[in-house]
Amino acid sequence: SAVISQKPSRDICQRGTSLTIQCQVDSQVTMMFWYRQQPGQSLTLIATANQGSEATYESGFVIDKFPISRPNLTFSTLTVSNMSPEDSSIYLCSVGGRGSFSGANVLTFGAGSRLTVL
Amino acid sequence: GESVGLHLPTLSVQEGDNSIINCAYSNSASDYFIWYKQESGKGPQFIIDIRSNMDKRQGQRVTVLLNKTVKHLSLQIAATQPGDSAVYFCAEILTSGGYNKLIFGAGTRLAVHP
Repeated sequence: SAVISQKPSRDICQRGTSLTIQCQVDSQVTMMFWYRQQPGQSLTLIATANQGSEATYESGFVIDKFPISRPNLTFSTLTVSNMSPEDSSIYLCSVGGRGSFSGANVLTFGAGSRLTVL
Repeated sequence: GESVGLHLPTLSVQEGDNSIINCAYSNSASDYFIWYKQESGKGPQFIIDIRSNMDKRQGQRVTVLLNKTVKHLSLQIAATQPGDSAVYFCAEILTSGGYNKLIFGAGTRLAVHP
């Protein structure tokens, strides 16, 4: 399965600032997925990023708040804009991989970027 | 709706016992389910998957059971070890907008005591 590297692994941010998270994959992938995991909670899909097109955002997430770049098949960034304490979360990058069954899409995740907003 | 939920938020077991983690899903159209394990400071890691045309699948020390009648999944871990301590998520594949996306359940924290 793909190896995913995320930067930063953690950061402490001031309210009102923006932070860009980088996701690097060791192989070319068509689709990359960004998830948010709030403290003690499950993972929620933010958006799906295809190379060469605009990201597709899930309900409750907007491009102005979470702009995404996908400049090539191995890299993506997620920016958390104008941060507030409610944005304190782990942000995870993921890519599709082969599951046990033909056509099954099992996601492989990076270790995540833990952001704390003061 | 598109939610996937869990019955038990935490589970404590003795080392060597069997563990059963439960999950209820709401999307009857889902045809593929996955269990993930997330250790502290790490991203979720694939454990085992199952298709909707199956009711049971076994891996190494783990078994997943699927009951489509009541939309229920369970993960059974045999001879639970301290290294099994983690948060476990079930997830279902939802096809939307022409592509598959993973919808995660709330998670169960498994604590294994010596």
